[in-house]
Amino acid sequence: GNSVTQMEGPVTLSEEAFLTINCTYTATGYPSLFWYVQYPGEGLQLLLKATKADDKGSNKGFEATYRKETTSFHLEKGSVQVSDSAVYFCALRGNYGQNFVFGPGTRLSVLP
Amino acid sequence: EPEVTQTPSHQVTQMGQEVILRCVPISNHLYFYWYRQILGQKVEFLVSFYNNEISEKSEIFDDQFSVERPDGSNFTLKIRSTKLEDSAMYFCASSLRQGRNTDTQYFGPGTRLTVL
Repeated sequence: GNSVTQMEGPVTLSEEAFLTINCTYTATGYPSLFWYVQYPGEGLQLLLKATKADDKGSNKGFEATYRKETTSFHLEKGSVQVSDSAVYFCALRGNYGQNFVFGPGTRLSVLP
Repeated sequence: EPEVTQTPSHQVTQMGQEVILRCVPISNHLYFYWYRQILGQKVEFLVSFYNNEISEKSEIFDDQFSVERPDGSNFTLKIRSTKLEDSAMYFCASSLRQGRNTDTQYFGPGTRLTVL
Protein backbone atom coordinates (compact mmCIF):
# COMPACT_ATOMS: atom_id res chain seq x y z
CA GLY A 1 0.00 0.00 0.00
CA ASN A 2 0.87 3.66 -0.06
CA SER A 3 3.15 5.02 2.64
CA VAL A 4 5.08 8.14 3.59
CA THR A 5 8.33 8.37 5.53
CA GLN A 6 9.65 11.57 7.09
CA MET A 7 12.83 12.41 8.91
CA GLU A 8 12.58 11.97 12.63
CA GLY A 9 12.36 15.08 14.72
CA PRO A 10 12.46 17.19 16.62
CA VAL A 11 14.42 19.65 14.53
CA THR A 12 15.74 22.70 16.36
CA LEU A 13 17.11 25.64 14.39
CA SER A 14 18.11 29.20 15.03
CA GLU A 15 16.15 31.98 13.37
CA GLU A 16 17.24 32.61 9.74
CA ALA A 17 18.75 29.12 9.39
CA PHE A 18 18.08 26.95 6.34
CA LEU A 19 15.49 24.23 6.77
CA THR A 20 15.19 20.85 5.08
CA ILE A 21 12.69 18.22 6.15
CA ASN A 22 13.04 15.02 4.15
CA CYS A 23 10.04 13.11 2.88
CA THR A 24 9.98 9.98 0.75
CA TYR A 25 7.01 7.98 -0.37
CA THR A 26 5.92 4.63 -1.70
CA ALA A 27 2.93 4.57 -4.00
CA THR A 28 1.68 2.97 -7.16
CA GLY A 29 0.97 5.18 -10.12
CA TYR A 30 1.14 8.95 -9.84
CA PRO A 31 0.14 10.27 -6.46
CA SER A 32 -0.27 13.90 -5.50
CA LEU A 33 1.99 15.10 -2.71
CA PHE A 34 1.27 17.57 0.05
CA TRP A 35 2.80 19.27 3.04
CA TYR A 36 0.49 20.13 5.91
CA VAL A 37 1.46 22.19 8.95
CA GLN A 38 0.02 21.99 12.45
CA TYR A 39 0.72 24.98 14.68
CA PRO A 40 0.49 24.47 18.45
CA GLY A 41 -3.10 23.88 19.51
CA GLU A 42 -4.47 24.12 15.99
CA GLY A 43 -5.61 21.82 13.20
CA LEU A 44 -3.96 20.85 9.96
CA GLN A 45 -3.39 23.52 7.35
CA LEU A 46 -2.36 22.89 3.79
CA LEU A 47 1.07 24.42 3.24
CA LEU A 48 1.77 23.41 -0.36
CA LYS A 49 1.18 20.67 -2.87
CA ALA A 50 2.44 19.22 -6.14
CA THR A 51 0.41 17.04 -8.43
CA LYS A 52 2.90 15.68 -10.95
CA ALA A 53 6.57 14.91 -11.36
CA ASP A 54 8.92 17.92 -11.35
CA ASP A 55 6.18 20.24 -10.08
CA LYS A 56 7.32 22.62 -7.37
CA GLY A 57 4.88 23.65 -4.66
CA SER A 58 5.59 26.85 -2.79
CA ASN A 59 3.96 28.98 -0.12
CA LYS A 60 5.13 31.36 2.64
CA GLY A 61 8.77 30.88 1.62
CA PHE A 62 8.52 27.08 1.79
CA GLU A 63 9.18 24.97 -1.30
CA ALA A 64 9.08 21.30 -2.23
CA THR A 65 9.72 19.61 -5.57
CA TYR A 66 8.04 16.37 -6.62
CA ARG A 67 10.91 14.05 -7.59
CA LYS A 68 9.58 10.85 -9.08
CA GLU A 69 13.02 9.37 -9.73
CA THR A 70 13.87 9.51 -6.02
CA THR A 71 10.24 9.28 -4.79
CA SER A 72 10.85 12.34 -2.64
CA PHE A 73 9.16 15.60 -1.74
CA HIS A 74 11.56 17.35 0.62
CA LEU A 75 10.43 20.57 2.28
CA GLU A 76 12.83 23.53 2.27
CA LYS A 77 12.90 27.10 3.47
CA GLY A 78 15.83 29.44 3.11
CA SER A 79 15.39 31.41 6.32
CA VAL A 80 13.13 30.16 9.10
CA GLN A 81 11.35 32.34 11.62
CA VAL A 82 10.22 31.66 15.18
CA SER A 83 6.65 31.67 13.87
CA ASP A 84 7.47 28.62 11.72
CA SER A 85 7.67 26.46 14.84
CA ALA A 86 5.11 23.71 14.24
CA VAL A 87 4.71 20.09 13.25
CA TYR A 88 5.04 19.43 9.52
CA PHE A 89 3.32 16.47 7.88
CA CYS A 90 4.13 15.09 4.48
CA ALA A 91 1.16 13.37 2.84
CA LEU A 92 0.14 11.73 -0.37
CA ARG A 93 -3.08 11.03 -2.11
CA GLY A 94 -3.20 8.22 -4.64
CA ASN A 95 -4.24 8.08 -8.25
CA TYR A 96 -7.86 7.35 -7.66
CA GLY A 97 -8.82 9.99 -5.16
CA GLN A 98 -8.40 7.89 -2.10
CA ASN A 99 -7.94 9.28 1.36
CA PHE A 100 -4.70 10.86 2.48
CA VAL A 101 -1.79 8.89 3.85
CA PHE A 102 0.25 10.96 6.27
CA GLY A 103 3.82 10.69 7.43
CA PRO A 104 4.52 10.68 11.17
CA GLY A 105 5.19 14.41 11.31
CA THR A 106 8.35 16.37 12.08
CA ARG A 107 8.35 18.86 14.92
CA LEU A 108 10.30 22.04 14.15
CA SER A 109 11.37 24.46 16.86
CA VAL A 110 12.94 27.76 15.82
CA LEU A 111 14.83 29.66 18.50
CA PRO A 112 15.26 33.43 18.44
CA GLU B 1 -12.37 32.14 3.01
CA PRO B 2 -14.71 29.24 3.76
CA GLU B 3 -13.49 26.78 6.35
CA VAL B 4 -14.40 23.54 8.03
CA THR B 5 -15.61 23.98 11.61
CA GLN B 6 -15.80 21.42 14.40
CA THR B 7 -17.50 21.33 17.76
CA PRO B 8 -16.74 20.94 20.55
CA SER B 9 -13.08 21.84 20.62
CA HIS B 10 -12.55 19.56 23.62
CA GLN B 11 -14.77 16.73 24.85
CA VAL B 12 -14.18 14.84 28.08
CA THR B 13 -16.14 11.65 28.67
CA GLN B 14 -16.21 8.59 30.85
CA MET B 15 -15.23 5.22 29.42
CA GLY B 16 -18.28 3.43 28.02
CA GLN B 17 -20.19 6.60 27.23
CA GLU B 18 -21.34 7.59 23.77
CA VAL B 19 -19.93 10.72 22.16
CA ILE B 20 -20.88 12.61 19.03
CA LEU B 21 -18.35 14.84 17.35
CA ARG B 22 -19.74 17.43 15.00
CA CYS B 23 -18.39 19.00 11.86
CA VAL B 24 -19.67 21.56 9.40
CA PRO B 25 -17.86 21.01 6.09
CA ILE B 26 -17.36 23.69 3.48
CA SER B 27 -20.77 24.32 2.00
CA ASN B 28 -20.30 23.24 -1.62
CA HIS B 29 -18.10 20.25 -0.84
CA LEU B 30 -19.38 16.76 -1.54
CA TYR B 31 -16.87 14.45 0.14
CA PHE B 32 -16.34 14.24 3.85
CA TYR B 33 -13.73 12.55 5.98
CA TRP B 34 -12.75 11.80 9.54
CA TYR B 35 -9.17 11.34 10.67
CA ARG B 36 -7.70 10.91 14.11
CA GLN B 37 -4.38 11.71 15.70
CA ILE B 38 -3.42 10.01 18.93
CA LEU B 39 -1.19 12.35 20.94
CA GLY B 40 2.28 12.51 19.46
CA GLN B 41 1.47 10.08 16.67
CA LYS B 42 0.60 10.40 13.02
CA VAL B 43 -2.70 11.35 11.51
CA GLU B 44 -4.73 8.26 10.57
CA PHE B 45 -7.63 7.95 8.18
CA LEU B 46 -10.89 6.69 9.63
CA VAL B 47 -13.65 7.03 7.04
CA SER B 48 -14.80 8.83 3.93
CA PHE B 49 -18.42 9.64 3.10
CA TYR B 50 -20.14 10.61 -0.11
CA ASN B 51 -23.73 10.73 -1.24
CA ASN B 52 -24.98 9.71 2.19
CA GLU B 53 -22.95 6.57 2.45
CA ILE B 54 -19.53 5.43 3.52
CA SER B 55 -17.21 5.16 0.53
CA GLU B 56 -14.13 3.89 2.35
CA LYS B 57 -13.14 3.04 5.90
CA SER B 58 -10.00 1.91 7.67
CA GLU B 59 -9.48 -0.96 10.07
CA ILE B 60 -9.77 1.49 12.93
CA PHE B 61 -13.37 2.28 11.99
CA ASP B 62 -15.05 -0.70 13.61
CA ASP B 63 -18.64 -1.23 14.74
CA GLN B 64 -18.17 1.23 17.58
CA PHE B 65 -17.99 4.06 15.07
CA SER B 66 -20.65 5.51 12.82
CA VAL B 67 -21.01 8.60 10.68
CA GLU B 68 -24.04 10.53 9.62
CA ARG B 69 -25.04 13.61 7.70
CA PRO B 70 -28.24 14.41 9.54
CA ASP B 71 -29.04 17.55 7.57
CA GLY B 72 -27.60 19.61 4.75
CA SER B 73 -24.74 21.06 6.73
CA ASN B 74 -23.56 18.82 9.57
CA PHE B 75 -21.40 15.70 9.43
CA THR B 76 -21.08 13.72 12.64
CA LEU B 77 -18.88 10.97 14.03
CA LYS B 78 -20.40 8.85 16.79
CA ILE B 79 -18.48 6.56 19.07
CA ARG B 80 -20.96 4.25 20.78
CA SER B 81 -19.03 3.09 23.83
CA THR B 82 -15.78 4.95 24.26
CA LYS B 83 -12.57 3.25 25.32
CA LEU B 84 -9.47 4.79 26.82
CA GLU B 85 -7.63 4.27 23.55
CA ASP B 86 -10.16 6.43 21.72
CA SER B 87 -8.54 9.47 23.34
CA ALA B 88 -7.19 11.46 20.41
CA MET B 89 -7.64 14.55 18.29
CA TYR B 90 -10.32 13.95 15.70
CA PHE B 91 -10.15 15.94 12.47
CA CYS B 92 -12.95 16.39 10.00
CA ALA B 93 -12.11 17.24 6.41
CA SER B 94 -14.02 17.94 3.24
CA SER B 95 -13.26 18.17 -0.45
CA LEU B 96 -15.11 19.24 -3.55
CA ARG B 97 -14.18 16.16 -5.54
CA GLN B 98 -12.56 12.81 -4.93
CA GLY B 99 -12.23 11.33 -8.40
CA ARG B 100 -9.30 13.55 -9.26
CA ASN B 101 -6.20 13.08 -7.17
CA THR B 102 -5.40 16.74 -7.42
CA ASP B 103 -8.26 17.76 -5.18
CA THR B 104 -7.38 19.15 -1.77
CA GLN B 105 -8.94 18.15 1.50
CA TYR B 106 -9.58 21.03 3.88
CA PHE B 107 -9.27 20.17 7.54
CA GLY B 108 -11.12 21.49 10.53
CA PRO B 109 -9.36 22.57 13.73
CA GLY B 110 -10.07 19.25 15.42
CA THR B 111 -11.90 18.01 18.50
CA ARG B 112 -9.75 16.73 21.32
CA LEU B 113 -11.48 13.73 22.89
CA THR B 114 -10.36 12.66 26.33
CA VAL B 115 -11.74 9.38 27.69
CA LEU B 116 -11.34 8.90 31.44
